[in-house]
Amino acid sequence: EAGVAQSPRYKIIEKRQSVAFWCNPISGHATLYWYQQILGQGPKLLIQFQNNGVVDDSQLPKDRFSAERLKGVDSTLKIQPAKLEDSAVYLCASRRPGTNTEAFFGQGTRLTVV
Amino acid sequence: KNEVEQSPQNLTAQEGEFITINCSYSVGISALHWLQQHPGGGIVSLFMLSSGKKKHGRLIATINIQEKHSSLHITASHPRDSAVYICAVRGAQKLVFGQGTRLTINP
Repeated sequence: EAGVAQSPRYKIIEKRQSVAFWCNPISGHATLYWYQQILGQGPKLLIQFQNNGVVDDSQLPKDRFSAERLKGVDSTLKIQPAKLEDSAVYLCASRRPGTNTEAFFGQGTRLTVV
Repeated sequence: KNEVEQSPQNLTAQEGEFITINCSYSVGISALHWLQQHPGGGIVSLFMLSSGKKKHGRLIATINIQEKHSSLHITASHPRDSAVYICAVRGAQKLVFGQGTRLTINP
């Protein structure tokens, strides 16, 4: 089966600009996650969707970050305006419904804010 | 204290050595994942386990639920095994990640 697709792979923007990332999960995977991974650290959950509903966005900096999954399939993550500390890899993952189903990860988008 | 702790944070070894990476967690879990991340950033799932032991090629993962501890072993290590290895635990719904172990295998 096709994996989790993310784009772009790399993005460089200036601070205060806006940026958007796109994720296409594996077909049939109702659960979708966005993670932020700062260099040298483990991934941190930003938001979790179940179909098109938000399950957990407690660690999403809502003043500048937003995410949507309007039709319960693709998802976009937006940062507006970006700060230097937003430089990180943004990972998307998806999995089928169920207690012990495996999560599959995309290649990530490496964002550099200058 | 982090919910998921890995050790060591960095590990350098010679080709052929037996490698062990440890993961301890403090929360109740339904499953534990071992993940491999290469420099490009992409993550590959190596194992998902909730009890006992799993083996895939030169990789072995074990988990002790009572002790809340898991280990990832690599036998006959090779330079291509160089990567960051991440332990992640699943509680009710979400995955919580360790900080990763950077493994470098020198030829």
